[in-house]
Amino acid sequence: GAVVSQHPSRVICKSGTSVKIECRSLDFQATTMFWYRQFPKQSLMLMATSNEGSKATYEQGVEKDKFLINHASLTLSTLTVTSAHPEDSSFYICSAKKLAGGTDTQYFGPGTRLTVL
Amino acid sequence: QQQVKQSPQSLIVQKGGISIINCAYENTAFDYFPWYQQFPGKGPALLIAIRPDVSEKKEGRFTISFNKSAKQFSLHIMDSQPGDSATYFCAASKASGSRLTFGEGTQLTVNP
Repeated sequence: GAVVSQHPSRVICKSGTSVKIECRSLDFQATTMFWYRQFPKQSLMLMATSNEGSKATYEQGVEKDKFLINHASLTLSTLTVTSAHPEDSSFYICSAKKLAGGTDTQYFGPGTRLTVL
Repeated sequence: QQQVKQSPQSLIVQKGGISIINCAYENTAFDYFPWYQQFPGKGPALLIAIRPDVSEKKEGRFTISFNKSAKQFSLHIMDSQPGDSATYFCAASKASGSRLTFGEGTQLTVNP
């Protein structure tokens, strides 16, 4: 299989604090990891694409200084929401693409529910 | 040109019936078309995917039909079950694992 985990699954924080979300590929190495945000009853919106060892590529309208992405290894990427505000409350989902096999398949994590009070 | 349009927004089907969800795209550079199933509070899970070199792909009760000339593809769920009740997303990407563009999603309800 291809399993992607996220930690934490839920987080509640006060406005102005920073929150770090981890995304791990458990049984494969990932060349590329993607970070999505999903608001209730809406589709997934890509926030950024990260490749191991290089800077993330952010989608238009996503503040790179607010959503810090680090892809330190082939199995771990982190998203840090800095100075979080209530409007950042959302469901954050990562996905990972396998290093081997030339497949286009992205495997998604279970998501992290962020609530900013 | 990056959009993927999905319909219907919601769908109610009786147990045992066929669920059909449609997607249309504009960018002819797209060459990978997956369907994802998402349950509330969970991440999307890959159901089935197709490439433009075939017109149909079947895996169990799930079938993708692909019409390259019309730039449309659809998901058919045969013998729909209450456990299939979920939100389904179509998506598309260009060559080799680049970013996925998602459709708006279809909330499927299968009544017992």
